Amino acid sequence: DTGVSQDPRHKITKRGQNVTFRCDPISEHNRLYWYRQTLGQGPEFLTYFQNEAQLEKSRLLSDRFSAERPKGSFSTLEIQRTEQGDSAMYLCATTPEGYGYTFGSGTRLTVV
Amino acid sequence: KNQVEQSPQSLIILEGKNCTLQCNYTVSPFSNLRWYKQDTGRGPVSLTIMTFSENTKSNGRYTATLDADTKQSSLHITASQLSDSASYICVVSANAGNMLTFGGGTRLMVKP
Repeated sequence: DTGVSQDPRHKITKRGQNVTFRCDPISEHNRLYWYRQTLGQGPEFLTYFQNEAQLEKSRLLSDRFSAERPKGSFSTLEIQRTEQGDSAMYLCATTPEGYGYTFGSGTRLTVV
Repeated sequence: KNQVEQSPQSLIILEGKNCTLQCNYTVSPFSNLRWYKQDTGRGPVSLTIMTFSENTKSNGRYTATLDADTKQSSLHITASQLSDSASYICVVSANAGNMLTFGGGTRLMVKP
């Protein structure tokens, strides 16, 4: 495993639909982060897992958003009842020890 | 509140020229500072990582400096190439690397 893999790369969905994104980390990276990035801005923190435990959630993560990492390996981020304001790039980053972070290529979500 | 400010927001230079990007931060307790390069539609890729005790670090044509007293960092790009066109993001880590604060990025365009 040479990098962090995110799927899909692009997702176009109608407002009100649910979407789910997946992140596959580098093997043995026990920390996994989700970020949201809008055009021209730096990424904003959404949530963080250490192994399977979700340790922190940003206030940006409304009740329509849920993230899981059931076995401490891959993670999913689900958005329910999508809104146009959810359109953004969703980035996953992983690290073994909090020093060297590796980002995935992101999932570009467009809500129409 | 932890903040990272970058300047300029955007920059256009001619191929072959040098440029310097700035990053000011108010993050505590400081753990490390990273510079990332982000191509359009891709995830950030790490260029340099510096801890409190490091003043400068190079990665090819990229040289980062850190002044922990004034809480400033710079990224110097030498002999720019067209492929350097990207966003450059300054990221400061607190709490032993557990939480990242992102700057808004500098969008660099290198023209022939």
